[in-house]
Amino acid sequence: DTAVSQTPKYLVTQMGNDKSIKCEQNLGHDTMYWYKQDSKKFLKIMFSYNNKELIINETVPNRFSPKSPDKAHLNLHINSLELGDSAVYFCASSQGGNRNTIYFGEGSWLTVV
Amino acid sequence: QKEVEQNSGPLSVPEGAIASLNCTYSDRGSQSFFWYRQYSGKSPELIMFIYSNGDKEDGRFTAQLNKASQYVSLLIRDSQPSDSATYLCAVNNGGNTGKLIFGQGTTLQVKP
Repeated sequence: DTAVSQTPKYLVTQMGNDKSIKCEQNLGHDTMYWYKQDSKKFLKIMFSYNNKELIINETVPNRFSPKSPDKAHLNLHINSLELGDSAVYFCASSQGGNRNTIYFGEGSWLTVV
Repeated sequence: QKEVEQNSGPLSVPEGAIASLNCTYSDRGSQSFFWYRQYSGKSPELIMFIYSNGDKEDGRFTAQLNKASQYVSLLIRDSQPSDSATYLCAVNNGGNTGKLIFGQGTTLQVKP
């Protein structure tokens, strides 16, 4: 069983399109995250939800909108895709707190052409 | 100044040697520290975490923390070619959100 699963794994789309990435965790964690890893491998947090409540919202364009229907799911919708959005998007989860390990999904490779 | 800094490498060591990976962080309030390993095309996976000053050992891996110097390191003993990967240092600066700030990673190459 995959602990943190996200779909799709690969996504190639044209500029201006809208796309969504879905994420589910079966670890029973209260907190979920979206991280973005750019071409230089730098991993940066975008959003975090705790029990469906948004608790972290980093400086991310408004075109990115997360949604958490329940604490096991966190989806990411991206409007009007731009070339610079091409990256790997990782969903992750943890029990929260400052000592809890974050577990990552397999990543979604987004390429905007 | 970046919040978490690592030398991007590549760090090249021969098989069987000790690999030493270093990380510095800027926020003195940081409370917990993590090392993740990321193979090319894969997701980061946790290797170790450390909260207290000193050393923490787990098999071939030893994490070292010096809060006064704002420095954390990872030693890999008896390095194997399978250890070749990017090693990410991550720091939690004390918030209860569990948010981790990552360094840019150090690429390790272990040569047979």
